[in-house]
Amino acid sequence: EVQLVESGGGLVQPGGSLRLSCAASGFTFSSYWMSWVRQAPGKGLEWVANIKQDGSEKYYVDSVKGRFTISRDNAKNSLYLQMNSLRAEDTAVYYCARAAIYCSSTSCYSNHAFDIWGQGTMVTVSS
Amino acid sequence: SYVLTQPPSVSVAPGQTARITCGGNNIGSKSVHWYQQKPGQAPVLVVYDDSDRPSGIPERFSGSNSGNTATLTISRVEAGDEADYYCQVWDSSSDHPGVFGGGTKLTVL
Repeated sequence: EVQLVESGGGLVQPGGSLRLSCAASGFTFSSYWMSWVRQAPGKGLEWVANIKQDGSEKYYVDSVKGRFTISRDNAKNSLYLQMNSLRAEDTAVYYCARAAIYCSSTSCYSNHAFDIWGQGTMVTVSS
Repeated sequence: SYVLTQPPSVSVAPGQTARITCGGNNIGSKSVHWYQQKPGQAPVLVVYDDSDRPSGIPERFSGSNSGNTATLTISRVEAGDEADYYCQVWDSSSDHPGVFGGGTKLTVL
């Protein structure tokens, strides 16, 4: 079964740090771009960051640049999000998501549609 | 950065057709993806690349995209379709390329 399972959420004080993990199973993790998407309570979805298959490219939403770091370990089929200098506005459910890929006979490409999502992990930043 | 605009809410009677729009500057030149999210659950991809459906998604879900508006159409709406719907694009020209619309709450009357 194709699956993503997040962990590492919790309550943290403003200015604190937290590291989220996402364990992938049921597919070749190293073949896919991966993203983190968050959802503040009662609000919409917000894309946070993504990372290329080999980790050579990473992109972030402006509000987390310099504070969050996305990484992956393909040997462990795992995605991570290191979150530092946390703020109240970072309070949200954090989802990891797989970006779909499509392959022809000669090449593969990603349209960055998120075809598999984890169940999410809650991060609460409060004193 | 690229902005996607959705109506906050759409209401429709069972059996009728619901249309949810997603506006963006020249969105017709981009690939649009749509997600359904029910309360307490993770989002589910229902349409990708403007009009394609993942396996397992009913044919009642369809999409179109032209000019400055993309549209998710749900035919023969059922009570179980009541959910929040989000459009999404990948703006590859940006250094923060992932963009979601604000979401639309579909209410089945």
